Amino acid sequence: AQKVTQAQTEISVVEKEDVTLDCVYETRDTTYYLFWYKQPPSGELVFLIRRNSFDEQNEISGRYSWNFQKSTSSFNFTITASQVVDSAVYFCALSEDYNFNKFYFGSGTKLNVKP
Amino acid sequence: NAGVTQTPKFQVLKTGQSMTLQCAQDMNHEYMSWYRQDPGMGLRLIHYSVGAGITDQGEVPNGYNVSRSTTEDFPLRLLSAAPSQTSVYFCASSLQGASNEKLFFGSGTQLSVL
Repeated sequence: AQKVTQAQTEISVVEKEDVTLDCVYETRDTTYYLFWYKQPPSGELVFLIRRNSFDEQNEISGRYSWNFQKSTSSFNFTITASQVVDSAVYFCALSEDYNFNKFYFGSGTKLNVKP
Repeated sequence: NAGVTQTPKFQVLKTGQSMTLQCAQDMNHEYMSWYRQDPGMGLRLIHYSVGAGITDQGEVPNGYNVSRSTTEDFPLRLLSAAPSQTSVYFCASSLQGASNEKLFFGSGTQLSVL
């Protein structure tokens, strides 16, 4: 079974719309770490955020915000007032390893932001 | 700064051929890893290394070999390429341990096996 599920394969929005990317994870560990990465058209993945399982506080960084809910095993990512430059593939990932030696990635959500 | 450098960017192989995908980083990172990215499946870990001389298997290691003779380099070897190994390959590195959660990725190698 997949440890990280991103059910939305592709989302298209018009610039300035808000968009939420869903991420559901599965783990038996009580301590784990969740991540979001962005993959722009250039290809390389860029780190966005890490959340620890023992810290459910939501986080906001500019137009980005993350909603971590252990009760539903979800770690959703919202972009407010989307911009064309936000167009990319976004990956949610899980590590059960304190040293982050192994990551489990979701299948990614491709976000298209149209002008 | 070069960061994580992967070569080549594109490669076409015939079934049974061998080749090595190169990965080098100039950030003195202890941890390096290889992922493959397939449509609809995200990235899957092939092998990783936590330092020179130390390697371990990831989620999908079969058909791939690695070695880590230096901190900077972590090559991925395909001894006998198969069509199932057609994929985009990413190398990643980071400082070892929980103090650094950022994986730095290379720009990828697109491999086609005919």
